[in-house]
Amino acid sequence: DAKTTQPPSMDCAEGRAANLPCNHSTISGNEYVYWYRQIHSQGPQYIIHGLKNNETNEMASLIITEDRKSSTLILPHATLRDTAVYYCIVSARFGNNRKLIWGLGTSLAVNP
Amino acid sequence: DAGVIQSPRHEVTEMGQEVTLRCKPISGHNSLFWYRQTMMRGLELLIYFNNNVPIDDSGMPEDRFSAKMPNASFSTLKIQPSEPRDSAVYFCASSSDRGQSDTQYFGPGTRLTVL
Repeated sequence: DAKTTQPPSMDCAEGRAANLPCNHSTISGNEYVYWYRQIHSQGPQYIIHGLKNNETNEMASLIITEDRKSSTLILPHATLRDTAVYYCIVSARFGNNRKLIWGLGTSLAVNP
Repeated sequence: DAGVIQSPRHEVTEMGQEVTLRCKPISGHNSLFWYRQTMMRGLELLIYFNNNVPIDDSGMPEDRFSAKMPNASFSTLKIQPSEPRDSAVYFCASSSDRGQSDTQYFGPGTRLTVL
């Protein structure tokens, strides 16, 4: 299973862009990169996912490098409510198995 | 649309008692996942069902844990007998494998405390 590496913590000023990096150097060709976040005591929340191309939705943008060995989640205008643990995950597939392998994530603190 | 529903939200029990956690997945989803989260170990996958059939239970800690999915709209996770080290937040998640995406949608969790 492809593993991911994320910094354990980051800080960001409110209103600024938060750029969260993730390394996944062993990712294979059919594996997606997923981002989730978990606000204290709540269930993880899906943010965005991608395979090769950059993706954008109402929550964030996902930039994947051309070699797919790393990616960056961008929250364009961070708010205090974006304070959470952010997980970068690579999907592992075994036939019909579709497991998400969870790491420790990045704890993002958005400061006023 | 209703998301994943879990009950109870909080459970406090004494060591040795049986505990049953319940989950209703999102309608139309055919995969269901049970996770456990602790400060020490993070988020761990316990078991995963696809079309009501257990596919991977390698994360189930021991025989005290069992999970069932009698139909597409209901699953249970049972711990018998419970021990203090089982104290954790248990999450249920569901997804649909009809496309290429593996997006899982999580419930609010059940916070279990075993005294």
